[in-house]
Amino acid sequence: GAGVSQSPSNKVTEKGKDVELRCDPISGHTALYWYRQRLGQGLEFLIYFQGNSAPDKSGLPSDRFSAERTGESVSTLTIQRTQQEDSAVYLCASSHGETQYFGPGTRLLVL
Amino acid sequence: DQQVKQNSPSLSVQEGRISILNCDYTNSMFDYFLWYKKYPAEGPTFLISISSIKDKNEDGRFTVFLNKSAKHLSLHIVPSQPGDSAVYFCAAKPAGANSKLTFGKGITLSVRP
Repeated sequence: GAGVSQSPSNKVTEKGKDVELRCDPISGHTALYWYRQRLGQGLEFLIYFQGNSAPDKSGLPSDRFSAERTGESVSTLTIQRTQQEDSAVYLCASSHGETQYFGPGTRLLVL
Repeated sequence: DQQVKQNSPSLSVQEGRISILNCDYTNSMFDYFLWYKKYPAEGPTFLISISSIKDKNEDGRFTVFLNKSAKHLSLHIVPSQPGDSAVYFCAAKPAGANSKLTFGKGITLSVRP
């Protein structure tokens, strides 16, 4: 399949634990984005990577959130000391133009 | 402050009729607009887009209309089919190929057989 893939598909964790979410973008896509969708809300931008440029971190809600990307490949989103309000679907998208293509998301539940 | 607004949370239409989904935006820097469709437990799927230089874009049963002066766009689906039942998100972005999308909260469309 040539689409965006994400893992794990579901994650249940205890408050205070760290979690790491993974995104594999579409091959050749230079831009990679992380969004999250909390219950009943629209998608909320978190962070954006474009090639070797410094990432746009303006959407990260707190310093507990961080993300890395290796070149134009895999990205990981890390949430440290998870809180219950971090429960959401975390969506990754990639693009090589105007249109962003989304992965299936990781459903995170913090108990 | 919500920059992209989908004011109706839900819409129900009869199969075969037209579905009209509305979206308003406030940021005049938005230059490109997209509609995504989302089924439960899946990621959003790109449906159709429109650039601000156009006022209409059509793809099969789906047509998007843009009224820049009113900062309003709409998605028309005709004829509506039961498989169209999903959540539809309106999204907008400034000019430039790679920039973040700002999403509305979505509208749940139900197409009754």
